[in-house]
Amino acid sequence: KNQVEQSPQSLIILEGKNCTLQCNYTVSPFSNLRWYKQDTGRGPVSLTIMTFSENTKSNGRYTATLDADTKQSSLHITASQLSDSASYICVVSEANAGNMLTFGGGTRLMVKP
Amino acid sequence: EAGVAQSPRYKIIEKRQSVAFWCNPISGHATLYWYQQILGQGPKLLIQFQNNGVVDDSQLPKDRFSAERLKGVDSTLKIQPAKLEDSAVYLCASSPSWGVSPLYEQYFGPGTRLTVT
Repeated sequence: KNQVEQSPQSLIILEGKNCTLQCNYTVSPFSNLRWYKQDTGRGPVSLTIMTFSENTKSNGRYTATLDADTKQSSLHITASQLSDSASYICVVSEANAGNMLTFGGGTRLMVKP
Repeated sequence: EAGVAQSPRYKIIEKRQSVAFWCNPISGHATLYWYQQILGQGPKLLIQFQNNGVVDDSQLPKDRFSAERLKGVDSTLKIQPAKLEDSAVYLCASSPSWGVSPLYEQYFGPGTRLTVT
């Protein structure tokens, strides 16, 4: 069964600090991995998408890494801002299954002043 | 470019009542998805349409849930009768196509928060 596990479940950091969120998956065969940001009361918004051959991708202060061998990904947030407070969801797409996505449970990040 | 529109944004009903949600995808997007997101969890796919045909409805509780996309544009999701465990956010998403490129982005609407009492 395809699964995506995220850690920690929740995290509180002070504004300006860095943090790293983890994602482990068992989806096979692997197609791509996405990180979404979901603000309270909103739908998820894509931050990055990485294929098998990519091991790092940045989007502003967000940097995602992918190790397809160990089936792990991380999302690093640099110099956090209050607006970074949200849920971050790791999503893995299975190859040969159209665009079928397996969602992780998310990490709820709170950035405090 | 207008995003995915959903209505209503909030709905409170009693168990055993019926409810319907509406979704208008991004113009030109052939693929439409309905997800159920229980508080504290990631979204779970309920049904996927390609134009007006169903691609995957394997996780849709068909005894009480139904969905349609008659003209390949707007879609409605209905629950009849509702149970307490149906309390969740129902997200609609759309993408340009399906099966052509796995990198096609899914764009999500704001969701409808359903509370069943």
